[in-house]
Amino acid sequence: EVQLVESGGDLVQPGGSLRLSCAASGFTFSNYSMSWVRQVPGKGLEWVSVISGSGDRTYYADFLKGRFSISRDNSKNTLYLQMNSLRAEDTAVYFCAKGTGGSCYSALDSWGQGTLVTVSS
Amino acid sequence: DIVMTQSPDSLAVSLGERATINCKSSRNLLYSSNNKNYLAWYQQKPGQPPKLLIYWASTRESGVPDRFSGSGSGTDFTLTISSLQAEDVADYYCQQYESIPFTFGPGSKVDIK
Repeated sequence: EVQLVESGGDLVQPGGSLRLSCAASGFTFSNYSMSWVRQVPGKGLEWVSVISGSGDRTYYADFLKGRFSISRDNSKNTLYLQMNSLRAEDTAVYFCAKGTGGSCYSALDSWGQGTLVTVSS
Repeated sequence: DIVMTQSPDSLAVSLGERATINCKSSRNLLYSSNNKNYLAWYQQKPGQPPKLLIYWASTRESGVPDRFSGSGSGTDFTLTISSLQAEDVADYYCQQYESIPFTFGPGSKVDIK
C-alpha cells in the first residue's frame, strides 16, 4: 500500500525558511515523479512543484519566483521542499503526491494527508 | 500559463440522478505524439486529501466506481457521475498536466438535493 507522510509544517515568521519532508513507502520511489500541491484552507488546489523520478528534472509554479526548491533522496525514499523567503500568502496545507509514472507529466495518483504551513508574525 | 475553468461552481443533484461537471482549458491538452489528453479529475472530501478519479481525460483509476466517467478532448472535458450516491458529496477538480506550470480548475462542489 502506498503511503506518503508529510512533516515539517510549522508557524514561521515572514521572511523565514522551512523544509518540508514527505516519507514514501509501498512503491519503488525512484520510479515515480513526485509533486507538491498546496491548498489554503477552504480554497482550491494550487500546484507548486514537480521532480522526476531520477531527480534530474524539476519544475516550479511561476509565483514561487525562485523561493522554493524541490529535491528528493531516493536512498531514503523521501521528498523535500525547501521554502525560503516565506510570505503570508504561502500559508496553506502542503500535500505531497505521487505521479503515475517517472515522467513529470503525470497525473497524481496518491496523496499524503498534508502538513500545515502558517506564515505569520 | 494554461487557465482551467470549471462549471458549474456548485450543483445539487438528487440521489440516483446524473451529475455533470464541465472543465475547459485555455489551450489544447491533446498531445499529438501519443494522442492523449493530459487532463485529470480529482475528488476531495472535507478534511481529506484529493483522490485521483480519472486521468488521460477518460481512464478511470483503479478502484474508482464505474459510475464515474470522463470524456472530452482538446479543450473541453466533462466528468459525469451517472447515479449520484451520498458518498459522492465532495469537491471535484480538473487538472492539466500537459504544460508547466500544471494548473487546476477552481473546483465544483457537488451536493445532494
